[in-house]
Amino acid sequence: GESVGLHLPTLSVQEGDNSIINCAYSNSASDYFIWYKQESGKGPQFIIDIRSNMDKRQGQRVTVLLNKTVKHLSLQIAATQPGDSAVYFCAEMGGGSEKLVFGKGTKLTVNP
Amino acid sequence: GAGVSQSPRYKVAKRGQDVALRCDPISGHVSLFWYQQALGQGPEFLTYFQNEAQLDKSGLPSDRFFAERPEGSVSTLKIQRTQQEDSAVYLCASSLAVGRSRETQYFGPGTRLLVL
Repeated sequence: GESVGLHLPTLSVQEGDNSIINCAYSNSASDYFIWYKQESGKGPQFIIDIRSNMDKRQGQRVTVLLNKTVKHLSLQIAATQPGDSAVYFCAEMGGGSEKLVFGKGTKLTVNP
Repeated sequence: GAGVSQSPRYKVAKRGQDVALRCDPISGHVSLFWYQQALGQGPEFLTYFQNEAQLDKSGLPSDRFFAERPEGSVSTLKIQRTQQEDSAVYLCASSLAVGRSRETQYFGPGTRLLVL
């Protein structure tokens, strides 16, 4: 069945370091992927997305990499700041469905 | 520009009580989604509207859950005879997507429901 999972449930980094959050997916029909950031008590906030015809996309301080061969997605955050502390979810869409399928999330803690 | 808004933000219900959760999507967004998020988990899909048409309700956990979007804008998720296992955060999202186009879904702050 469809599933999206994360390799690491928690990640702790020092301020200024780069962070990498990983995600595995199993639905080969997925063609759209999104990373969301969720702070306590808030809804998921869009960070960056990537379509299956791309393998890399960059935003402001963030980069998403997509490896369709091994069904792997990663989010790289450059110069991580305390404000980046949150739970990060990857989500995928595809197979003729408009719904997002989320993973369980990785909690990122940035130490000052 | 206003984002997705939801009300109430918090709801405490006694077991067996009916509740109604409201979502105001971003103006002009065609698609509207409801998700349920249990504590410590990722959101799980409940149902999806394109304008006023409910195109997918495969995620609704039981016939106690009902959603509507009669005028293609505001949506209401109703839960009848609430049970303790219904306690969760209910998230609403909207997007410009029409059909199978891939557009970002923008989420509201959620309604935290606690059933006692």
